[in-house]
Amino acid sequence: DQQVKQNSPSLSVQEGRISILNCDYTNSMFDYFLWYKKYPAEGPTFLISISSIKDKNEDGRFTVFLNKSAKHLSLHIVPSQPGDSAVYFCAAQTGANNLFFGTGTRLTVIP
Amino acid sequence: KAGVTQTPRYLIKTRGQQVTLSCSPISGHRSVSWYQQTPGQGLQFLFEYFSETQRNKGNFPGRFSGRQFSNSRSEMNVSTLELGDSALYLCASSLEIGSYETQYFGPGTRLLVL
Repeated sequence: DQQVKQNSPSLSVQEGRISILNCDYTNSMFDYFLWYKKYPAEGPTFLISISSIKDKNEDGRFTVFLNKSAKHLSLHIVPSQPGDSAVYFCAAQTGANNLFFGTGTRLTVIP
Repeated sequence: KAGVTQTPRYLIKTRGQQVTLSCSPISGHRSVSWYQQTPGQGLQFLFEYFSETQRNKGNFPGRFSGRQFSNSRSEMNVSTLELGDSALYLCASSLEIGSYETQYFGPGTRLLVL
């Protein structure tokens, strides 16, 4: 059973606009959440994370929001750039244990 | 510093065969994790090795096994291959166990089971 879900397999956004990628989870024991970006033919790279004690974490153009009551997190990219086109995975973990990934959302930023 | 390397990059096997994939971590990294990526399931955690011992394990059948050597290099073995094992297998290394923010992924081995 998928404990971390990304229900949108793809998203297209105009350059300069905001990209919002969503992720839902079912396990209330998750206490740390991460976003990874993956380009074709490369392994995923870590992008940004958030602890369950926070509801927002910002790093440059990337902001992750966590809504624990809704078991939902989102990644905002503002402004979106063509180089952001990639597959984005959200992941969740409890303590230093296994990472559970979502199925990924392919973001296309149109110039 | 060289990145994580995986060999082979591509592999074709038939059902029932077994396969061994290799992963060389970044120098100095002692933790190696393995993941399976498929279109339907996304990325799924297989297991994590640290100091030659399996420390974490995902929800995969016993046909999937691994090991880590004293130089931190790791191998993953899949026995009695099934069609559904066709996937991209990624390994990632990090300095410490559970350091998922600072793990570096290799390019993966793409396995096709016919």
